[in-house]
Amino acid sequence: DVKVTQSSRYLVKRTGEKVFLECVQDMDHENMFWYRQDPGLGLRLIYFSYDVKMKEKGDIPEGYSVSREKKERFSLILESASTNQTSMYLCASSPRASGSSYNEQFFGPGTRLTVL
Amino acid sequence: AQKVTQAQTEISVVEKEDVTLDCVYETRDTTYYLFWYKQPPSGELVFLIRRNSFDEQNEISGRYSWNFQKSTSSFNFTITASQVVDSAVYFCALSEYPGGNKLVFGAGTILRVKS
Repeated sequence: DVKVTQSSRYLVKRTGEKVFLECVQDMDHENMFWYRQDPGLGLRLIYFSYDVKMKEKGDIPEGYSVSREKKERFSLILESASTNQTSMYLCASSPRASGSSYNEQFFGPGTRLTVL
Repeated sequence: AQKVTQAQTEISVVEKEDVTLDCVYETRDTTYYLFWYKQPPSGELVFLIRRNSFDEQNEISGRYSWNFQKSTSSFNFTITASQVVDSAVYFCALSEYPGGNKLVFGAGTILRVKS
C-alpha cells in the first residue's frame, strides 16, 4: 500500500519558534509538494520539489523554506512561526510527468498546526 | 493564469438524493488535466478521477459520474443515490502546463449527506 506520511497530526507551537514539518513517501516519486489548506481558500501551494536538492516556490512561499536531502523526504520549515501560519499543512507526492501525461498526487493525512 | 472555481461552498442532501458538484476552470493552455479529490473527515485527500483536455467523454464509476464540457469550461461531478459515507469536502483541481504536475485547486465544496 503506497503511503505518504507526515510526522505529526497535530502540533502546537509558540510565536517565534522554528517549526519543522516532515513528510516521507515510499513510492519513489520524484515530485513532492507542500500545501496549506484554509477554509474557503482550498489548497494553496507553498513549495514543491521535482528532485533531490531541487525546490521551487509555489504561490505562497513567504515565511517558509523547504529541504529535500533525500528523495523520499521533504521538509517544510517555518523559520519563525507566526499566528497567521496556523493552518492545516498537507504534503503530497507524484511521479514525474512524462510528455503530456499528468499523474495524480498522493496526499498525506495532514498536520494541523496551531501557533499561539 | 489558471483558476478553478467551485461556487458551492456547502451542500446538504438527504440520503439517496442525487447531488451535483460544480467546477468551472480557466486556463489558456490547450493541454491540461482536471482532477477531483475527496477529503473525508480523516483529512487525507483521495484521488477520484483525472481527465485530459482532449477527452470530453463523460465517465461513470459506480454511483459517481463526471461531465466535462470544454465549451463551458466545466467539469461537474454527480453522485447518484448519495450515502452518508459520501459526506466529505470535494476539491476540483487543474494541472498547469508546463508545470511539473503542479495543481491549482478550487476552494472545495463541503457535502453533508444526512440519513
